[in-house]
Order: sequence, then C-alpha cells, then structure tokens
Amino acid sequence: NAGVMQNPRHLVRRRGQEARLRCSPMKGHSHVYWYRQLPEEGLKFMVYLQKENIIDESGMPKERFSAEFPKEGPSILRIQQVVRGDSAAYFCASSQSGTGDSYGYTFGSGTRLTVV
Amino acid sequence: DQQVKQNSPSLSVQEGRISILNCDYTNSMFDYFLWYKKYPAEGPTFLISISSIKDKNEDGRFTVFLNKSAKHLSLHIVPSQPGDSAVYFCAVRGNFNKFYFGSGTKLNVKP
Repeated sequence: NAGVMQNPRHLVRRRGQEARLRCSPMKGHSHVYWYRQLPEEGLKFMVYLQKENIIDESGMPKERFSAEFPKEGPSILRIQQVVRGDSAAYFCASSQSGTGDSYGYTFGSGTRLTVV
Repeated sequence: DQQVKQNSPSLSVQEGRISILNCDYTNSMFDYFLWYKKYPAEGPTFLISISSIKDKNEDGRFTVFLNKSAKHLSLHIVPSQPGDSAVYFCAVRGNFNKFYFGSGTKLNVKP
C-alpha cells in the first residue's frame, strides 16, 4: 500500500524556467493538499484540490503558480518563470475525507526545488 | 498572520528525561489538534492528536495536553530516546477543514 508519492525528489531549475511537481495520493484518497516549507520556516498551506476541482487556493501566490488534479493521473503543481525565492520543499498530502482523517493528512516525502 | 506559534525553535534533552514541546494558537474555534514528527528529507508523519472536547490524550511515551482557556497545546515525551530527535510540528484544524502548522521545534535527545 504505497503512501503519497511525490516526484521528483529533487528538482533544479534555472531562473525563468518552469517547474512541474507531481503528486499521487494514497490509494482511496481523493483530497490533495499542497504545502510549502521555506528554509527555517513551518509548513504553509498553498492549495486544496479534489478531482478536477480546486476547493481552496487561498495560499497560492497570485501569479506564476497553478495546480490541478485531473480525473486521471497525479496532481500537478506548476510554477512558471521560477525565481530564487521559489526555492523550498514542496509537500503534497492526501486524505480520505475533506475534514482530514483522524490523523490529519498523509504526507509525501516532498520535492526539493532549487532555483539557480 | 500566524494562527499557530511554536516559540522554541530548538530543544535539547538528555536521554531518559522528559521533553516538553509547546504550541500556542490564536483562534478558540479550532476543534482538532495534532502533532507531527519530521525527519530530514522526509515528509511529516502523524504522531498524536486531540480533539477540543478533551484536555489530554496519551499514546505510549507521548502525551498531548490541551489548555483551551490559554489556547495552548503541549507534547510530552517521556522517557525521551535518541530516536525521538526530529522536528516536531503542531497543527490545528480551522475553517474549511484547513490545517495550520507551526514553524516547528527541533528536538535533540542526547545519549
């Protein structure tokens, strides 16, 4: 029973390039959340998605960032025209219910984005 | 706006002693509280939770205490073990089932 799978684990991009981060939720989980952890900071909520729907994107920067969770395939967090300040660990989490399960979310191992 | 604060970025404890990690929150409407543990290069993993109708929940060496009047949450680990060395995040469930996380406390348990 695979957990939340994120890939790639590490991603290096030059300034101005696009970064695409993928997340496959746990089997049976239909709710996906993306969080960002900047160096020396906590986890900041970015977006909450269900299949084909964005439920809450209040934590997403207004420009350059987008997320989707298509009917088939993984959830994608896309960052266009990356800048150095986008360097962070991006964690995806999933849950079976929209209220979070009794243990909250199940997190993936994260994608570490480095912008050079 | 910080909904959840962990004011101690780090804590060092001797093996066998008690570790106490603290967390303060701002909104009395939060109804569910959790602690996560995170090792380097891994995602956070669930440790223990408590609902707002309780003031204590215990699971083995881990106990979470909730003081609603003070809006304060704490995690006690006793006895502490070197394998407990990790970053601990508290999280609260707020509006629209969104979880807010603190900035984390790095615990170092010395052998």
